Amino acid sequence: GQQVMQIPQYQHVQEGEDFTTYCNSSTTLSNIQWYKQRPGGHPVFLIQLVKSGEVKKQKRLTFQFGEAKKNSSLHITATQTTDVGTYFCAALKTSYDKVIFGPGTSLSVIP
Amino acid sequence: DSGVTQTPKHLITATGQRVTLRCSPRSGDLSVYWYQQSLDQGLQFLIQYYNGEERAKGNILERFSAQQFPDLHSELNLSSLELGDSALYFCASSVAPDRKVIQYFGAGTRLSVL
Repeated sequence: GQQVMQIPQYQHVQEGEDFTTYCNSSTTLSNIQWYKQRPGGHPVFLIQLVKSGEVKKQKRLTFQFGEAKKNSSLHITATQTTDVGTYFCAALKTSYDKVIFGPGTSLSVIP
Repeated sequence: DSGVTQTPKHLITATGQRVTLRCSPRSGDLSVYWYQQSLDQGLQFLIQYYNGEERAKGNILERFSAQQFPDLHSELNLSSLELGDSALYFCASSVAPDRKVIQYFGAGTRLSVL
């Protein structure tokens, strides 16, 4: 079946350092979404990537979809304490396929 | 506030019991999804409904069932509960069944089975 992996599982960074999480699929994807879940909160949609090689930016966050549409990354520049949480990628093989969430990367930011 | 309402927020029950979790989607959303999140685990997709009909099934146990009513609210029924069913259960909604559409998550129901 379709597997979605995320690395790393945990990341501790000093405030101001950069952070990157990677999402990898065993199969080609239709699109990929990223969600953030703050501690004690619920997942909140961040972005969706559809095109091969697509890059989208949201302030300090940069999202990238691989050329082969099998992997994606989320990069945060100069982390802040407000970035703390778990970042999930959600992969879709086809438009009407069930969404598969990755296991998430838990980010801790040390002030 | 996502606009998705889940009740109750917390539920404590015993093994072997049956519980019902309720979800009201955002106004205008026709599709509802249920997820289970165990401690330190990712989001496990359980089931999806669209306009009252089951759309897709994930890793939902036979002891679990769900439905979506004409007013579009949904209920997730968990029976013969086991200790391992203790988890956070999220409901999400979207406008359409197409998974490219954004899912809006509720605050979740935390179930503790003792």
